[in-house]
Amino acid sequence: AQSVTQLDSHVSVSEGTPVLLRCNYSSSYSPSLFWYVQHPNKGLQLLLKYTSAATLVKGINGFEAEFKKSETSFHLTKPSAHMSDAAEYFCVVSLLKAAGNKLTFGGGTRVLVKP
Amino acid sequence: DAGITQSPRHKVTETGTPVTLRCHQTENHRYMYWYRQDPGHGLRLIHYSYGVKDTDKGEVSDGYSVSRSKTEDFLLTLESATSSQTSVYFCAISGGLDNEQFFGPGTRLTVL
Repeated sequence: AQSVTQLDSHVSVSEGTPVLLRCNYSSSYSPSLFWYVQHPNKGLQLLLKYTSAATLVKGINGFEAEFKKSETSFHLTKPSAHMSDAAEYFCVVSLLKAAGNKLTFGGGTRVLVKP
Repeated sequence: DAGITQSPRHKVTETGTPVTLRCHQTENHRYMYWYRQDPGHGLRLIHYSYGVKDTDKGEVSDGYSVSRSKTEDFLLTLESATSSQTSVYFCAISGGLDNEQFFGPGTRLTVL
């Protein structure tokens, strides 16, 4: 079985300050991990993915995440928040099976960016 | 953007009526998925397909059925809608097991 826990349901930051979104996962296998972003009333967009290559993964829009196996974590960071980063973020773990790539989503973290 | 559309985009229906949501892709991807999104739960997998006429259940499949008669179309049917099925439904596609999933724009369904 696999599961994902996003430790904060809401995060509020000021524009220009760092953003940290925390994610812990549980998986019986070597996981693939993703971060997706969803802007209001929009679909989901992939920010970045980890698939057992480099443990520090760079994504779009200045985001990056670090895979730490010992801590079963995959936290998302950005050094300087922008107003356009206000959205909901989902940490996702993937279980690859012969009949499909089944994703398990965390509950989401809603980010508010204050001017 | 990946060529993936969902129809209808919004629907209001009454308890007990059948509802069918359509996902259409132009990418010729093998894998297609239906999710529902509810506050605090992220997205949860309802059903998925790994080829024409090949489908399997996800974690919240009760009350839903699917069909895939063509590569490009994946239909989700609520045989008898209930208020607990009020949700936003997302379709996703993927070209391979290790590929990212691309998501459609979503369908907001309200069951009164």
